[in-house]
Amino acid sequence: DIQMTQSPSSLSASVGDRVTITCRASQSISSYLNWYQQKPGKAPKLLIYAASSLQSGVPSRFSGSGSGTDFTLTISSLQPEDFATYYCQQSYSTFSTFGPGTKVDIK
Amino acid sequence: EVQLVQSGAEVKKPGESLKISCKGSGYSFTSYWIGWVRQMPGKGLEWMGIIYPGDSDTRYSPSFQGQVTISADKSISTAYLQWSSLKASDTAMYYCVRRRDGYNYGDYWGQGTLVTVSS
Repeated sequence: DIQMTQSPSSLSASVGDRVTITCRASQSISSYLNWYQQKPGKAPKLLIYAASSLQSGVPSRFSGSGSGTDFTLTISSLQPEDFATYYCQQSYSTFSTFGPGTKVDIK
Repeated sequence: EVQLVQSGAEVKKPGESLKISCKGSGYSFTSYWIGWVRQMPGKGLEWMGIIYPGDSDTRYSPSFQGQVTISADKSISTAYLQWSSLKASDTAMYYCVRRRDGYNYGDYWGQGTLVTVSS
């Protein structure tokens, strides 16, 4: 299995802050990396696919970068509705795996 | 509008069987893989397996092989996740998700089905 790690596991930030979340794969996954946002009691929502492509309807303050084993999700200016848990997912392998998640809460 | 609508919450006893469903609409159901994702209480997301409704080709993640059965009925645009003998550790929220080909990302998700297994 390809293992995914995320850092930090949680962070506290203020509205307007720039937030960066890192995801690392245990082996190269090219650009087969996706990011999801999940709010309490809700299904995950796709934000970024193929490492850097913004899903339709997702605000442009979200961006993704990276390839190989190291990836980043950036929120350029945190908004109140962005407080949530963020998961990366590798879709390179037949057996997809998710990172453990990063919880973003209000400072 | 693409939608995946899952069956309602279930409360079962250990040892009972269960089949939950995920009905797709608004797109060609036989042309996209459907995956199942488990989320145990307070925990992260786990990819369980995937099925291609067009030909019922099914792949299971190693952790779930032999523990569940994934199937689909393309005549009614519905995918299923099934257990033959539930355990308390199967208590979780289960999501179905449509997978886009190419970079294999999940673009549409069902609302989730909460399964509670308790004696």
